[in-house]
Amino acid sequence: DAGVIQSPRHEVTEMGQEVTLRCKPISGHDYLFWYRQTMMRGLELLIYFNNNVPIDDSGMPEDRFSAKMPNASFSTLKIQPSEPRDSAVYFCASSFRDSSGNTIYFGEGSWLTVV
Amino acid sequence: AQSVTQLGSHVSVSEGALVLLRCNYSSSVPPYLFWYVQYPNQGLQLLLKYTSAATLVKGINGFEAEFKKSEPSFHLTKPSAHMSDAAEYFCAVTKGSSASKIIFGSGTRLSIRP
Repeated sequence: DAGVIQSPRHEVTEMGQEVTLRCKPISGHDYLFWYRQTMMRGLELLIYFNNNVPIDDSGMPEDRFSAKMPNASFSTLKIQPSEPRDSAVYFCASSFRDSSGNTIYFGEGSWLTVV
Repeated sequence: AQSVTQLGSHVSVSEGALVLLRCNYSSSVPPYLFWYVQYPNQGLQLLLKYTSAATLVKGINGFEAEFKKSEPSFHLTKPSAHMSDAAEYFCAVTKGSSASKIIFGSGTRLSIRP
């Protein structure tokens, strides 16, 4: 299996620009998660989907952030406009629920720097 | 509500020494517990998972964790540290098998001294 695939791996952008992060979950997984990791706040859950439907977006910091999952194999996290405080590593993860529960598999992350 | 507390943001041990990373959790229902490892510049990788089948769980790379309901805790151990174990370790909890949302601890950075 190819694992969770994220792009871009690294992005440097100027303040005010739109940023789009992309994710392809593991085939067959019906849950998709977006996390943000920073030194100050650690690992934060931003939003998660089940069967392409957003279930909990309470972690999305503000209206500048939006996430979509148009189909089972693709999701985007968009920041518009971006700010320096958005600099972080953004992880996409996917999972499926079986008899042993819900195990999350992470992508390699998208390293975002907003200058 | 479920939560996890990792005791110690940084742990340093000598190569060959015992590794002990502490995790306490709170849960109103029988939890599922996880340990993940994050190597530099990489995503998180599952080390092991507790699902109530056995209180002592063995994971990859020689790590194991014991579920102790009385404390309640899920500490991670390895008898003999290796230089390659240097990484960030995260404890996580979910509300049993029916929950989707996994809550992560703040992480413990493990350093190995030669």
